[in-house]
Amino acid sequence: DTEVTQTPKHLVMGMTNKKSLKCEQHMGHRAMYWYKQKAKKPPELMFVYSYEKLSINESVPSRFSPECPNSSLLNLHLHALQPEDSALYLCASSQGPSGTTNEKLFFGSGTQLSVL
Amino acid sequence: RKEVEQDPGPFNVPEGATVAFNCTYSNSASQSFFWYRQDCRKEPKLLMSVYSSGNEDGRFTAQLNRASQYISLLIRDSKLSDSATYLCVVNRVYGGSQGNLIFGKGTKLSVKP
Repeated sequence: DTEVTQTPKHLVMGMTNKKSLKCEQHMGHRAMYWYKQKAKKPPELMFVYSYEKLSINESVPSRFSPECPNSSLLNLHLHALQPEDSALYLCASSQGPSGTTNEKLFFGSGTQLSVL
Repeated sequence: RKEVEQDPGPFNVPEGATVAFNCTYSNSASQSFFWYRQDCRKEPKLLMSVYSSGNEDGRFTAQLNRASQYISLLIRDSKLSDSATYLCVVNRVYGGSQGNLIFGKGTKLSVKP
């Protein structure tokens, strides 16, 4: 079982709603990530936090807003999303910061998001 | 060349078969290589790291050819439970520094009775 916990598992929201996805890990990992995955496509990186600081933003629209309150928690705030944003949102963590050689990613089970 | 490119699949094989997946990567400076497995509607899970010397874990063998920028995964004696999508993962390189991991599109494997 994954040691990265994501909530909620499923989320349906309208285009005017504001919602948040949550991710938690207690493995002492120093980097946390948000990925987006559409059906039959590979995961695409959105954001990376290393040592609680945003280190990578892959040109993600501002309607997605990440937040890292502490080393164990990672949030993704959603506002004014579009139907094409419907996807599986995966959180991951790694022991060392992004870019460390042979650094493995451990994924949560994801939030399946539907935007109506 | 795409950053990470895999066999398109799907691979449909009988139980007990040996199956091999290939993956090529574009940046010769990449240092981190992995195979992940993803079941339908589930998260990717690490199958194995890939090292220059090659490595084996039970029925699974991974190999890295740096000269050809090529990674492979061999599965021997396929089981029904091996049915999944196999993702090749390589790190990006930014101006000489090792960067984040990127995923290939994946190869779907179906093992039939």
